[in-house]
Amino acid sequence: GQNIDQPTEMTATEGAIVQINCTYQTSGFNGLFWYQQHAGEAPTFLSYNVLDGLEEKGRFSSFLSRSKGYSYLLLKELQMKDSASYLCAVRGYGQNFVFGPGTRLSVLP
Amino acid sequence: DTAVSQTPKYLVTQMGNDKSIKCEQNLGHDTMYWYKQDSKKFLKIMFSYNNKELIINETVPNRFSPKSPDKAHLNLHINSLELGDSAVYFCASSQGRADPAGTDTQYFGPGTRLTVL
Repeated sequence: GQNIDQPTEMTATEGAIVQINCTYQTSGFNGLFWYQQHAGEAPTFLSYNVLDGLEEKGRFSSFLSRSKGYSYLLLKELQMKDSASYLCAVRGYGQNFVFGPGTRLSVLP
Repeated sequence: DTAVSQTPKYLVTQMGNDKSIKCEQNLGHDTMYWYKQDSKKFLKIMFSYNNKELIINETVPNRFSPKSPDKAHLNLHINSLELGDSAVYFCASSQGRADPAGTDTQYFGPGTRLTVL
């Protein structure tokens, strides 16, 4: 079966650091993606990991451990505009993508 | 220029009707997708086409039929609409196997909010 878990909601303060975890069990693994989705809008690509380790992109970093079926997205220097849902997605065999339920992040002043 | 566009943005219709949603991408991508996002915000893949050929068909009722006239377009036709079809439908595209970076990042359209009454 295919299963991706993320916390449903998180709250953090402007300027802080927040880590959003994702665990997965999928048939086949060809990469893990993080997407950001603001309310009423389309998901937009944030990061991609296919090998173990940390990928850094400005204020956003993503980590992957394939042996543990685990990833996290780290957001630094939080801004109000970071309030959104963050979706973890795994690409399995072929072009099959499985998305997690998303984590709704609220950034408070 | 809009990379992935969908029409209409909103669609309100009665149960039992037939409707279509159109999608176009101008990114030159080989692969296109349809996703359904329900009220709980779960994004589920429905179909995937690579160069006009169907490569993924998840467990979707056969009332849903995708049509790809060329690799830049993937339309979704829905017959005999039901209340449970109410959701936001997203079209997406990616380079597919041709992506030299291997990331195959998907670019999403703005979504079509379908409401079945």
